[in-house]
Amino acid sequence: NAGVTQTPKFQVLKTGQSMTLQCAQDMNHNSMYWYRQDPGMGLRLIYYSASEGTTDKGEVPNGYNVSRLNKREFSLRLESAAPSQTSVYFCASTRFGVLATLVTGELFFGEGSRLTVL
Amino acid sequence: TQLLEQSPQFLSIQEGENLTVYCNSSSVFSSLQWYRQEPGEGPVLLVTVVTGGEVKKLKRLTFQFGDARKDSSLHITAAQTGDTGLYLCAGADYTGTASKLTFGTGTRLQVTL
Repeated sequence: NAGVTQTPKFQVLKTGQSMTLQCAQDMNHNSMYWYRQDPGMGLRLIYYSASEGTTDKGEVPNGYNVSRLNKREFSLRLESAAPSQTSVYFCASTRFGVLATLVTGELFFGEGSRLTVL
Repeated sequence: TQLLEQSPQFLSIQEGENLTVYCNSSSVFSSLQWYRQEPGEGPVLLVTVVTGGEVKKLKRLTFQFGDARKDSSLHITAAQTGDTGLYLCAGADYTGTASKLTFGTGTRLQVTL
């Protein structure tokens, strides 16, 4: 059981280049999330998808776009990469979707994608 | 934006010592989770606390949720080298369409022999 799979694991881009980070989960989860992790700042939410067909902005969405391709897959796109987007990106999923109320289910994370923008 | 501040940021202790990590916010959360992250991996859930004043124990780890549901603490008794890692607290906020987790700034713990 793979859980949450992210590709690529490492990527180096030049300023202005574009790329897409792929994420897939095999746990039949409803909600999926993209976070970025920077030293001393914890994990910050970029975008999330409560269920297939819906996406919403998180705390730091500028410079990113997302696509919930189907229930399994949630991709993150950088249209024109900037050095400020150098970070480790984590995809996560949880089975709770639009019916989630008081308690958030466990987030299952991928291993991360380390992106460097020169 | 709800902010979660963790303290201390870094902690280096010897095996056998006790330690406490704090997670504080000015906002109320519906629940709070603690995660542990090792290098090169994603965070893994340790515990979820829901009720104000709740205390949960996981072997040598004790988690407490503040009465007002704005803060939490993690206490480790007799730390072991296997406890080394980044500890993250995360507060849950229900937006009406989904639950979102806001993560704290993290506490990096190093336990040496």
